[in-house]
Amino acid sequence: DADVTQTPRNRITKTGKRIMLECSQTKGHDRMYWYRQDPGLGLRLIYYSFDVKDINKGEISDGYSVSRQAQAKFSLSLESAIPNQTALYFCATSSAQGSQETQYFGPGTRLLVL
Amino acid sequence: AQSVTQLGSHVSVSEGALVLLRCNYSSSVPPYLFWYVQYPNQGLQLLLKYTSAATLVKGINGFEAEFKKSETSFHLTKPSAHMSDAAEYFCAVSDHRTYKYIFGTGTRLKVLA
Repeated sequence: DADVTQTPRNRITKTGKRIMLECSQTKGHDRMYWYRQDPGLGLRLIYYSFDVKDINKGEISDGYSVSRQAQAKFSLSLESAIPNQTALYFCATSSAQGSQETQYFGPGTRLLVL
Repeated sequence: AQSVTQLGSHVSVSEGALVLLRCNYSSSVPPYLFWYVQYPNQGLQLLLKYTSAATLVKGINGFEAEFKKSETSFHLTKPSAHMSDAAEYFCAVSDHRTYKYIFGTGTRLKVLA
């Protein structure tokens, strides 16, 4: 089984709809991240969490919110989806050993907002 | 602030030829640097990372990268390209203070038969 899983893998929604993307991990890591990937822009950090009680905004948090329900679960919500939120979304995890630690990525969720 | 720049959004090589993907970094402190690969319809997978132990870093699938402080570079190489190397490659630097990654914009490698 995969260490970092994301659901759904693909989602089509309409402008104005609320949508939640979920991430679960079995690696036992404290740190979790949400990124979005757009062609030509690489990966940009939306939110990150260093433990259940620690949530931080990334560089592009506007229009998004997150919830860290447990050490192993980190959800990303779009309260009112808009077309420019169409992107590939990745969840990642890392252990709390320092800045040299590897991040492990889920398979991604492809979101299309019509 | 730390950053990385990947030169060339698309690179094409012939099968069996040298692969060279360029990454330059900007950092006021000794950086931790990473190369990740993304195969079609998959997440990112770590190829290799530099954490100051050795300047020449060997990774998976025959890839390696050399940290050159004087050139602020961390270019990824592979002596002989395989068709299976076709993917998108990302360079990243880790922020020492916040532990966040800063990614480059990616280089898509195409391998020609």
